Amino acid sequence: KAGVTQTPRYLIKTRGQQVTLSCSPISGHRSVSWYQQTPGQGLQFLFEYFSETQRNKGNFPGRFSGRQFSNSRSEMNVSTLELGDSALYLCASSLYRYGGQGNTIYFGEGSWLTVV
Amino acid sequence: EDKVVQSPLSLVVHEGDTVTLNCSYEVTNFRSLLWYKQEKKAPTFLFMLTSSGIEKKSGRLSSILDKKELFSILNITATQTGDSAVYLCAVEAAFHNAGNMLTFGGGTRLMVKP
Repeated sequence: KAGVTQTPRYLIKTRGQQVTLSCSPISGHRSVSWYQQTPGQGLQFLFEYFSETQRNKGNFPGRFSGRQFSNSRSEMNVSTLELGDSALYLCASSLYRYGGQGNTIYFGEGSWLTVV
Repeated sequence: EDKVVQSPLSLVVHEGDTVTLNCSYEVTNFRSLLWYKQEKKAPTFLFMLTSSGIEKKSGRLSSILDKKELFSILNITATQTGDSAVYLCAVEAAFHNAGNMLTFGGGTRLMVKP
């Protein structure tokens, strides 16, 4: 069974540009979430999508946005890139279960973004 | 604000030693606690804990959750150099709109020397 797949794996962008990252969740998983990982801030939640709807958003500026398609694949976009956006962007998917049960959340390999 | 704190920040041991990693949390609407291992790539899932006092085991790794005292420990016995990694603790919260998100601790960097 294929894991969470993210593309591209590595990219370099210039300040002011925009970037789109893609994520294909594990087959059958409908919940997709995005995280930013930096040495200084660690792993921080960006947003989560379920059935094409954004359910939750972390404390990031509006330059960070995302969407989810009907096949559960997701994209995130960062506009007007800043140097501080350089980070590892991780996508995670889960079979979301309502109620008290926890959800096993699996991560992709990530997209390494460098802003110069 | 939700908070997850891991200790120690880093640890150096020799092969064969046993280590205990700690994770304490303050999270509203707690649903579960997860442990991940991260080498120079994506976090790899280790355990998910939802109930207090029930130990989960996988080979030399085990973990337990205490929901009263709000902490969890991850034990690794007979450590090997391949255990060298950053170990991340994360807590899953449930939102009123039925969404979920993870709040991560800063991680414990484990180095196992031959």
